[in-house]
Amino acid sequence: EAGVVQSPRYKIIEKKQPVAFWCNPISGHNTLYWYRQNLGQGPELLIRYENEEAVDDSQLPKDRFSAERLKGVDSTLKIQPAELGDSAVYLCASSSGTDVGGYTFGSGTRLTVV
Amino acid sequence: AQSVAQPEDQVNVAEGNPLTVKCTYSVSGNPYLFWYVQYPNRGLQFLLKYITGDNLVKGSYGFEAEFNKSQTSFHLKKPSALVSDSALYFCAVRVGTGGFKTIFGAGTRLFVKA
Repeated sequence: EAGVVQSPRYKIIEKKQPVAFWCNPISGHNTLYWYRQNLGQGPELLIRYENEEAVDDSQLPKDRFSAERLKGVDSTLKIQPAELGDSAVYLCASSSGTDVGGYTFGSGTRLTVV
Repeated sequence: AQSVAQPEDQVNVAEGNPLTVKCTYSVSGNPYLFWYVQYPNRGLQFLLKYITGDNLVKGSYGFEAEFNKSQTSFHLKKPSALVSDSALYFCAVRVGTGGFKTIFGAGTRLFVKA
């Protein structure tokens, strides 16, 4: 079974440019999470989806960040325009909504804004 | 405020010796507690969880963790460390009425010396 797949693995962009990250969760996992992990810190939740509905986006900087999960499967996280402080690893995770087990994380996208 | 604390930035142990990585939490209600491990350039991998029941839970790769309600702790342990255990370890707690918001600690880097 494929795990959570994220792309790209690495992205370097200039500030003020747009960038997008893609995530394909584990088949059948209806809950999808986007986390941001700054260097030397633990992941911080940006947004959580239950199927196609964003049920917790309280930590998402909505002035520049947006996300979508059309059809309740794949998800895209976008930043426009990017700022230097957005440099981080963006992690996608998924889980089955019916259990209280651990999440399955993707390998992440390392974003560098220059 | 609900939080997770990992008081040690780094833990150093010799191979073959027992290891402990500390975690304390502050949440209202009964906590769901987790440990994850992160290897370089990889996403987080689920190690083990405490939901209810026996205070000592066993997980992947020979790791175990002890839940102590009176001390609000959930320390990760292993009887005999391996060099390959060297990685970044995150403690996490799941909170909220829906039970699906996970807060991560800042992480502890474990270094096992041969």
